[in-house]
Amino acid sequence: DTGVSQNPRHKITKRGQNVTFRCDPISEHNRLYWYRQTLGQGPEFLTYFQNEAQLEKSRLLSDRFSAERPKGSFSTLEIQRTEQGDSAMYLCASSLEGGSTDTQYFGPGTRLTVL
Amino acid sequence: AQSVSQHNHHVILSEAASLELGCNYSYGGTVNLFWYVQYPGQHLQLLLKYFSGDPLVKGIKGFEAEFIKSKFSFNLRKPSVQWSDTAEYFCAVNYYSSASKIIFGSGTRLSIRP
Repeated sequence: DTGVSQNPRHKITKRGQNVTFRCDPISEHNRLYWYRQTLGQGPEFLTYFQNEAQLEKSRLLSDRFSAERPKGSFSTLEIQRTEQGDSAMYLCASSLEGGSTDTQYFGPGTRLTVL
Repeated sequence: AQSVSQHNHHVILSEAASLELGCNYSYGGTVNLFWYVQYPGQHLQLLLKYFSGDPLVKGIKGFEAEFIKSKFSFNLRKPSVQWSDTAEYFCAVNYYSSASKIIFGSGTRLSIRP
Protein backbone atom coordinates (compact mmCIF):
# COMPACT_ATOMS: atom_id res chain seq x y z
CA ASP A 1 0.00 0.00 0.00
CA THR A 2 1.53 3.30 -1.08
CA GLY A 3 -0.99 5.59 0.59
CA VAL A 4 -0.54 7.92 3.54
CA SER A 5 0.30 6.05 6.73
CA GLN A 6 0.00 7.20 10.32
CA ASN A 7 1.31 5.78 13.57
CA PRO A 8 0.13 4.93 16.09
CA ARG A 9 -3.47 4.28 15.10
CA HIS A 10 -4.66 4.68 18.68
CA LYS A 11 -3.14 6.45 21.66
CA ILE A 12 -4.51 6.59 25.18
CA THR A 13 -2.75 8.92 27.56
CA LYS A 14 -3.26 10.62 30.88
CA ARG A 15 -3.85 14.33 31.13
CA GLY A 16 -0.59 16.23 31.32
CA GLN A 17 1.46 13.72 29.36
CA ASN A 18 3.16 14.48 26.05
CA VAL A 19 2.30 12.53 22.90
CA THR A 20 3.82 12.37 19.43
CA PHE A 21 2.25 11.14 16.23
CA ARG A 22 3.94 10.31 12.96
CA CYS A 23 2.76 10.67 9.38
CA ASP A 24 4.38 9.22 6.28
CA PRO A 25 3.01 10.82 3.13
CA ILE A 26 2.73 9.35 -0.34
CA SER A 27 6.33 9.21 -1.47
CA GLU A 28 6.39 11.81 -4.26
CA HIS A 29 4.10 14.28 -2.46
CA ASN A 30 5.78 17.48 -1.31
CA ARG A 31 2.86 18.91 0.66
CA LEU A 32 1.73 17.51 3.99
CA TYR A 33 -1.24 18.58 6.12
CA TRP A 34 -2.51 17.93 9.63
CA TYR A 35 -6.20 18.06 10.52
CA ARG A 36 -8.16 17.30 13.66
CA GLN A 37 -11.60 15.69 13.67
CA THR A 38 -13.93 15.43 16.63
CA LEU A 39 -17.07 13.35 16.83
CA GLY A 40 -19.84 14.58 14.59
CA GLN A 41 -17.69 17.16 12.86
CA GLY A 42 -15.68 17.39 9.70
CA PRO A 43 -11.89 17.63 9.82
CA GLU A 44 -10.44 21.01 10.84
CA PHE A 45 -7.20 22.28 9.39
CA LEU A 46 -4.25 22.56 11.78
CA THR A 47 -1.13 23.15 9.72
CA TYR A 48 0.63 22.38 6.48
CA PHE A 49 4.13 21.93 5.10
CA GLN A 50 5.58 22.37 1.69
CA ASN A 51 8.71 20.25 1.73
CA GLU A 52 10.27 21.03 5.12
CA ALA A 53 8.79 24.51 5.47
CA GLN A 54 5.74 24.99 7.68
CA LEU A 55 3.73 27.51 5.67
CA GLU A 56 0.49 27.91 7.58
CA LYS A 57 -0.77 27.28 11.09
CA SER A 58 -4.35 27.48 12.28
CA ARG A 59 -5.35 29.39 15.38
CA LEU A 60 -6.50 25.97 16.63
CA LEU A 61 -2.84 25.07 17.00
CA SER A 62 -2.06 26.28 20.50
CA ASP A 63 1.46 26.66 21.89
CA ARG A 64 1.22 23.10 23.22
CA PHE A 65 1.15 21.76 19.67
CA SER A 66 4.20 21.56 17.46
CA ALA A 67 4.68 19.96 14.07
CA GLU A 68 7.86 19.23 12.19
CA ARG A 69 8.88 17.84 8.86
CA PRO A 70 12.66 17.92 9.15
CA LYS A 71 13.68 16.35 5.85
CA GLY A 72 10.62 17.08 3.82
CA SER A 73 9.41 13.49 4.05
CA PHE A 74 7.65 12.23 7.19
CA SER A 75 6.14 14.60 9.74
CA THR A 76 5.55 14.49 13.47
CA LEU A 77 2.88 16.22 15.52
CA GLU A 78 3.59 16.62 19.21
CA ILE A 79 1.12 17.67 21.85
CA GLN A 80 2.59 18.71 25.17
CA ARG A 81 0.73 18.64 28.49
CA THR A 82 -2.31 17.00 26.95
CA GLU A 83 -5.79 18.05 28.03
CA GLN A 84 -9.06 16.18 27.77
CA GLY A 85 -10.15 18.58 25.06
CA ASP A 86 -7.33 17.28 22.87
CA SER A 87 -9.15 13.96 22.49
CA ALA A 88 -9.86 13.65 18.78
CA MET A 89 -8.84 11.92 15.58
CA TYR A 90 -5.69 13.48 14.13
CA LEU A 91 -5.55 13.15 10.36
CA CYS A 92 -2.67 13.59 8.02
CA ALA A 93 -2.99 14.24 4.30
CA SER A 94 -0.52 14.74 1.49
CA SER A 95 -0.60 16.20 -1.99
CA LEU A 96 1.60 16.99 -4.92
CA GLU A 97 1.93 20.68 -5.53
CA GLY A 98 0.04 21.49 -8.67
CA GLY A 99 -1.17 24.99 -8.26
CA SER A 100 -4.94 25.00 -8.35
CA THR A 101 -5.22 21.27 -8.96
CA ASP A 102 -3.82 20.19 -5.61
CA THR A 103 -5.72 17.13 -4.31
CA GLN A 104 -5.22 15.92 -0.76
CA TYR A 105 -5.15 12.22 0.11
CA PHE A 106 -5.80 11.24 3.69
CA GLY A 107 -4.30 8.68 6.01
CA PRO A 108 -6.24 6.50 8.47
CA GLY A 109 -5.69 8.88 11.38
CA THR A 110 -4.47 8.56 14.96
CA ARG A 111 -7.23 8.46 17.55
CA LEU A 112 -6.13 10.19 20.75
CA THR A 113 -7.95 9.65 24.02
CA VAL A 114 -6.88 11.77 26.97
CA LEU A 115 -8.06 10.44 30.33
CA ALA B 1 -15.88 33.76 7.38
CA GLN B 2 -15.18 30.92 5.02
CA SER B 3 -17.47 28.01 5.79
CA VAL B 4 -19.21 24.99 4.34
CA SER B 5 -22.74 23.89 5.23
CA GLN B 6 -24.19 20.45 4.80
CA HIS B 7 -27.90 20.60 5.39
CA ASN B 8 -28.63 17.00 6.25
CA HIS B 9 -26.95 15.41 9.23
CA HIS B 10 -28.45 11.97 8.72
CA VAL B 11 -30.21 10.60 5.65
CA ILE B 12 -31.91 7.21 5.57
CA LEU B 13 -32.86 5.67 2.23
CA SER B 14 -33.91 2.33 0.84
CA GLU B 15 -31.82 0.58 -1.76
CA ALA B 16 -32.44 1.83 -5.31
CA ALA B 17 -33.68 5.22 -4.08
CA SER B 18 -32.16 8.35 -5.56
CA LEU B 19 -29.80 10.45 -3.46
CA GLU B 20 -29.08 14.13 -3.27
CA LEU B 21 -26.93 15.61 -0.50
CA GLY B 22 -26.81 19.36 -0.20
CA CYS B 23 -23.67 21.45 0.19
CA ASN B 24 -23.32 25.22 0.25
CA TYR B 25 -20.23 27.30 0.84
CA SER B 26 -19.75 30.91 1.78
CA TYR B 27 -18.52 33.37 -0.78
CA GLY B 28 -14.76 33.76 -0.89
CA GLY B 29 -13.72 34.02 -4.49
CA THR B 30 -12.52 31.18 -6.68
CA VAL B 31 -12.82 27.73 -5.18
CA ASN B 32 -11.96 24.09 -5.69
CA LEU B 33 -14.68 21.73 -4.48
CA PHE B 34 -14.55 18.18 -3.19
CA TRP B 35 -16.68 15.40 -1.84
CA TYR B 36 -14.96 12.90 0.43
CA VAL B 37 -16.48 9.68 1.75
CA GLN B 38 -15.68 7.72 4.88
CA TYR B 39 -16.95 4.14 4.92
CA PRO B 40 -17.33 2.48 8.33
CA GLY B 41 -13.90 1.69 9.75
CA GLN B 42 -12.06 3.23 6.81
CA HIS B 43 -10.29 6.51 6.20
CA LEU B 44 -11.43 9.48 4.15
CA GLN B 45 -11.44 8.82 0.43
CA LEU B 46 -11.89 11.25 -2.42
CA LEU B 47 -15.21 10.71 -4.18
CA LEU B 48 -14.97 13.50 -6.75
CA LYS B 49 -13.58 16.98 -7.27
CA TYR B 50 -14.22 20.13 -9.25
CA PHE B 51 -11.45 22.51 -10.23
CA SER B 52 -12.71 24.10 -13.45
CA GLY B 53 -14.56 23.36 -16.67
CA ASP B 54 -17.77 21.35 -16.88
CA PRO B 55 -19.72 22.06 -13.68
CA LEU B 56 -21.14 18.54 -13.70
CA VAL B 57 -18.44 16.23 -12.42
CA LYS B 58 -18.53 12.48 -12.21
CA GLY B 59 -16.79 10.51 -9.51
CA ILE B 60 -16.32 6.94 -8.45
CA LYS B 61 -19.11 4.44 -7.79
CA GLY B 62 -21.70 6.28 -9.89
CA PHE B 63 -21.67 9.53 -7.91
CA GLU B 64 -21.82 12.94 -9.54
CA ALA B 65 -21.98 16.51 -8.33
CA GLU B 66 -23.02 19.77 -9.87
CA PHE B 67 -21.34 23.09 -9.18
CA ILE B 68 -23.82 25.97 -9.35
CA LYS B 69 -21.74 29.09 -8.93
CA SER B 70 -24.70 31.45 -8.53
CA LYS B 71 -26.01 29.40 -5.62
CA PHE B 72 -22.60 28.63 -4.07
CA SER B 73 -23.67 25.00 -4.11
CA PHE B 74 -22.05 21.67 -4.91
CA ASN B 75 -24.69 19.01 -4.35
CA LEU B 76 -23.88 15.32 -4.54
CA ARG B 77 -26.18 12.95 -6.41
CA LYS B 78 -26.57 9.29 -7.22
CA PRO B 79 -29.55 7.94 -9.16
CA SER B 80 -29.78 4.59 -7.37
CA VAL B 81 -28.08 3.90 -4.05
CA GLN B 82 -26.81 0.56 -2.81
CA TRP B 83 -26.41 -0.80 0.69
CA SER B 84 -22.64 -0.43 0.25
CA ASP B 85 -23.07 3.35 -0.02
CA THR B 86 -23.67 3.49 3.72
CA ALA B 87 -21.03 5.95 4.89
CA GLU B 88 -20.36 9.50 6.02
CA TYR B 89 -20.06 12.07 3.26
CA PHE B 90 -18.12 15.31 3.60
CA CYS B 91 -18.28 18.30 1.31
CA ALA B 92 -15.08 20.34 1.28
CA VAL B 93 -13.86 23.60 -0.23
CA ASN B 94 -10.45 25.02 -0.96
CA TYR B 95 -10.52 28.78 -1.38
CA TYR B 96 -7.78 30.07 -3.68
CA SER B 97 -7.19 32.87 -1.19
CA SER B 98 -6.38 30.36 1.56
CA ALA B 99 -3.57 28.51 -0.17
CA SER B 100 -3.90 24.78 0.41
CA LYS B 101 -6.25 24.74 3.38
CA ILE B 102 -9.43 22.71 2.91
CA ILE B 103 -12.55 23.60 4.85
CA PHE B 104 -14.89 20.71 5.52
CA GLY B 105 -18.58 20.58 6.21
CA SER B 106 -19.80 18.72 9.28
CA GLY B 107 -20.72 15.67 7.23
CA THR B 108 -23.87 13.76 6.32
CA ARG B 109 -24.35 10.23 7.58
CA LEU B 110 -26.05 8.09 4.94
CA SER B 111 -27.78 4.89 6.02
CA ILE B 112 -29.15 2.55 3.38
CA ARG B 113 -31.81 0.03 4.29
CA PRO B 114 -31.29 -3.28 2.43
